[in-house]
Order: sequence, then structure tokens, then C-alpha cells
Amino acid sequence: EVQLVESGGGLVQPGGSLRLSCAASRFTITNSWVNWVRQAPGKGLEWVANIKHDESEKYYVDSVKGRFIISRDNAENSVSLQMNSLRAEDTAVYYCALSPYYDVALDTWGQGTLVTVSS
Amino acid sequence: QSIVTQPPSASGTPGQTVTISCSGSRSNIGSNYVYWYQQLPGTAPKLLIYKSDQRPSGVPDRFSGSKSGTSASLAISGLRSEDEADYYCAAWDDRSFVAIFGGGTRLTVL
Repeated sequence: EVQLVESGGGLVQPGGSLRLSCAASRFTITNSWVNWVRQAPGKGLEWVANIKHDESEKYYVDSVKGRFIISRDNAENSVSLQMNSLRAEDTAVYYCALSPYYDVALDTWGQGTLVTVSS
Repeated sequence: QSIVTQPPSASGTPGQTVTISCSGSRSNIGSNYVYWYQQLPGTAPKLLIYKSDQRPSGVPDRFSGSKSGTSASLAISGLRSEDEADYYCAAWDDRSFVAIFGGGTRLTVL
């Protein structure tokens, strides 16, 4: 079974940092765009960032620009989201999701990892 | 940034057809494909419709999507209790270079 597994979530104080990882098993993400999508408790989905297969293109939602960095390691079949200067409003379940092309065709999702920003 | 609007709730009885609307602007829905996702309680979202009107394999043909101008819609026919979920539309926005999700529609099967 194709699987994406996120890790790295947890409790962090405002202003702190966390690094989320998304690892794929039983398939390669080499040719996929990889996206991060988050969902605050009881709220809707919010797209956060994505990265092209060769890292030549990266896009971010305005609210995380300058604070979050998306990167990938195709040799390790994984993608990371470095989150700095975290705020309470970043509290959410973070999902990684794959798209075969430059669009919002998110056809494979992980189970999500919870990030809680609180003092 | 641009927004995409969905009704917060919808409902229907078993066997009925329910339609969920999704309204955007020229820079997102008006210029790009629309995607629909179903999120059952406590689970990750699942792609339901891609490229505005295409169904991934395994999605029943009771689900259909359409797009016209800056609006799109998801129709669910032969409503079943297991269709009770949150539904989200999404599209890429060419002006802000971000993906935009609608606010989501909670479907209740009465």
C-alpha cells in the first residue's frame, strides 16, 4: 500500500521552531510536487506550501512566507517543512500531500501530524 | 489574497441529489481546474474530483463535478448515509501563486 508518513509534530512555545518530515514508502516521490496542507482544530483546510520535484519552484501562503521553508531530499524520498517563529495561529494538523503536476490535484495524503504552539 | 466561497452546510435525505457550490474569481476558478475533496470525520482528505469534472478510479459515479466561469459545483446523487462528510473545493490562484481551498461544506444526511 502506498503510504506517506508525517513526523516531527509536537508542542512548541511561541517563537520556537519545529521541523516536519514527510516520508514515502513503497513508491517514489521523485516526480511529484509535494504540498503541505494544514487544518486548525475545528477549521477548514489551508494550503501552506509546495515544492517541485527538482526544487526549482517553491510557493508559500503569505502567512508563512519568511518563516517556513520547504525542502526535499529525493535520495531519501522525503520532504521537510522547517517552521520558525511559530505563532499560536500555526497550531494545526499538518498533512503532506502529493500532486503529479503543478496544480491542486492532491491524490495521495499522509495521516497528518499535530503541531501545537502554546506557552 | 483571493478567496473561494462555499456554503457552510448542506443537507439531504437518502436517495436525493445534493449540489454544493464553489465560487471564486477569474484568477483561480476562472483560469484553472477545480478539485474537490471529501473529508470523513477524523481522517485525511480524499481527492474526489480532479480537473473540474474527472473522477479518480474508485470514486462512485454518484459524484460529479462541473465548472462554469468563476464557479464550480459538486453534485452527489443517490445520497447515502456514508456521504456525510466535509467537502472542500480547491483551485490554484494565478495572481497570488497559491492554492486556495474553499471554506468547506458540511454535508448532513437526514
